[in-house]
Amino acid sequence: SAVISQKPSRDICQRGTSLTIQCQVDSQVTMMFWYRQQPGQSLTLIATANQGSEATYESGFVIDKFPISRPNLTFSTLTVSNMSPEDSSIYLCSVEDSWGRRDTQYFGPGTRLTVL
Amino acid sequence: RKEVEQDPGPFNVPEGATVAFNCTYSNSASQSFFWYRQDCRKEPKLLMSVYSSGNEDGRFTAQLNRASQYISLLIRDSKLSDSATYLCAVTTGSYIPTFGRGTSLIVHP
Repeated sequence: SAVISQKPSRDICQRGTSLTIQCQVDSQVTMMFWYRQQPGQSLTLIATANQGSEATYESGFVIDKFPISRPNLTFSTLTVSNMSPEDSSIYLCSVEDSWGRRDTQYFGPGTRLTVL
Repeated sequence: RKEVEQDPGPFNVPEGATVAFNCTYSNSASQSFFWYRQDCRKEPKLLMSVYSSGNEDGRFTAQLNRASQYISLLIRDSKLSDSATYLCAVTTGSYIPTFGRGTSLIVHP
């Protein structure tokens, strides 16, 4: 499976600011995914990021709030904009498996965000 | 009704016990099924896929019941190190998984 790293691993931010989370994969992958996991809740897909095209957002998530970049096949960023305490969560990137199966996913270590 | 539902637990069992979790799904057209394990403050990791015929990996057995729309995970001879949250994941047409909230397992000495 791919080795995935995320930066930062955690952050504490002030309301109204923005944070950009980076996700780096050690191999080229077609699709990368961004999830949010709030305390006691399931993983919720925010968007799917393909290289060379705009991200595809799930219902309830919009580009203005969660802009995503995917400049190449090994890297993606997720920005959490104009943060509020409700954005406090763990944000995880994931990739499909080495066979290109989207239903089998491998996750980065996550970014633990606290918004004051 | 939520797409994928799990009893959050916690299931508190002694070492050596057998424990089973179920996960129900609402979409009868669901195609792929998985169990993930998530340790405290860590990312989810794929534990095993769930096949129609059922599958076994050491002490872990996963089964699918399409008629009743649930999957199960059985852990035999529980170890302290099995303590974690177990997430089920189900895919439909997009092949991107929908995750349950997870079932927390605590194995005590």
